[in-house]
Amino acid sequence: GQNIDQPTEMTATEGAIVQINCTYQTSGFNGLFWYQQHAGEAPTFLSYNVLDGLEEKGRFSSFLSRSKGYSYLLLKELQMKDSASYLCAVRASRTYKYIFGTGTRLKVLA
Amino acid sequence: EAGVAQSPRYKIIEKRQSVAFWCNPISGHATLYWYQQILGQGPKLLIQFQNNGVVDDSQLPKDRFSAERLKGVDSTLKIQPAKLEDSAVYLCASSLIYSGTSTDTQYFGPGTRLTVL
Repeated sequence: GQNIDQPTEMTATEGAIVQINCTYQTSGFNGLFWYQQHAGEAPTFLSYNVLDGLEEKGRFSSFLSRSKGYSYLLLKELQMKDSASYLCAVRASRTYKYIFGTGTRLKVLA
Repeated sequence: EAGVAQSPRYKIIEKRQSVAFWCNPISGHATLYWYQQILGQGPKLLIQFQNNGVVDDSQLPKDRFSAERLKGVDSTLKIQPAKLEDSAVYLCASSLIYSGTSTDTQYFGPGTRLTVL
């Protein structure tokens, strides 16, 4: 079967660093994606990992360990506008189907 | 480049009524997805099309939900009859055909917020 776990909620302070973890179990892996979703809006693409290691994109970085079924999204220099839900999704290798976690709601406090 | 278009943006109906949602994907995107997102949860795939063929509809409640993608472009999702638990946001997404080591991802439309009373 396929299963994705991530924390439901996290709180951090403006200017700080926060790490959002995601663990997954899947048959046929074809990449792990992170999306940001502000309340009432559609998800937007943040990052993609298919090989082990760290991908950095500005204030956002994403890490993947395929052997451990583990990923994290690292957000640096937090800003108030980073308050949103962060969705971890795995893409299946044969069908290119995306399986989403329940999302982590991040609150950034002043 | 125009994004994924969806309509309507909001819909309120009573239970047992019917409703239809429309999606126009990004031009040239062969893969189209319909998701249901209940408040506080992640998107759940209802159906995935590759051109006008169905790739996955394993989580589509086929006794009440139907979807089609004529000519491999626009798509409609219908619910008939609606139940209270169908209240959710219905998201449409599209992506190119994946090939090689492409980092192709899916792009989401703004969604349709359905309220069933």
